[in-house]
Amino acid sequence: GQNIDQPTEMTATEGAIVQINCTYQTSGFNGLFWYQQHAGEAPTFLSYNVLDGLEEKGRFSSFLSRSKGYSYLLLKELQMKDSASYLCAVREGNTGFQKLVFGTGTRLLVSP
Amino acid sequence: GAVVSQHPSWVICKSGTSVKIECRSLDFQATTMFWYRQFPKQSLMLMATSNEGSKATYEQGVEKDKFLINHASLTLSTLTVTSAHPEDSSFYICSAWARGTSGPRGGELFFGEGSRLTVL
Repeated sequence: GQNIDQPTEMTATEGAIVQINCTYQTSGFNGLFWYQQHAGEAPTFLSYNVLDGLEEKGRFSSFLSRSKGYSYLLLKELQMKDSASYLCAVREGNTGFQKLVFGTGTRLLVSP
Repeated sequence: GAVVSQHPSWVICKSGTSVKIECRSLDFQATTMFWYRQFPKQSLMLMATSNEGSKATYEQGVEKDKFLINHASLTLSTLTVTSAHPEDSSFYICSAWARGTSGPRGGELFFGEGSRLTVL
């Protein structure tokens, strides 16, 4: 089976930087995704890593270390609207049949 | 971009009845769709992989006879919750890889809007 773990909850203040960690143990790794989800809505895509290193996308960056089974999502210049759940997800399988397995999710609360 | 549409968004039913949820890919063909379930304050849990023209692949612990999946065409998958009970109340969401985006780079998974089921 798969184990994809994240902290349950995190809090931060507006304007700050927060790092959300994700550790995984899975077979057939084929990429790691980060999604943002507001309550009652579908997840929205934030970032994707398949090679080791940092991917930067505006205020959001994501890092991957395949050898350590570790990723993090870095959010800079936090805004109130960033209060949401952040989901780490691992894509498993070869091209043609791939599934996305989600981690436990992290609820982020941004305060003024 | 690719769009996945899910219907209904909300459904309330009595215990013991069956509920069908539809998932459509609007501007692309999806040979494979995925059904997830999400309980309050929890993450998405993969229930099954829906395969066009063949049987669905269920994740461990998911009852095949309880959650019937049909993928009769390249643009439509349905999930039927049979003999629903209050513990089946949840947020059900479908998703699909748009063709051409499941390679080693990119490969965004497109989600439907989700269906909130409440069983009384």
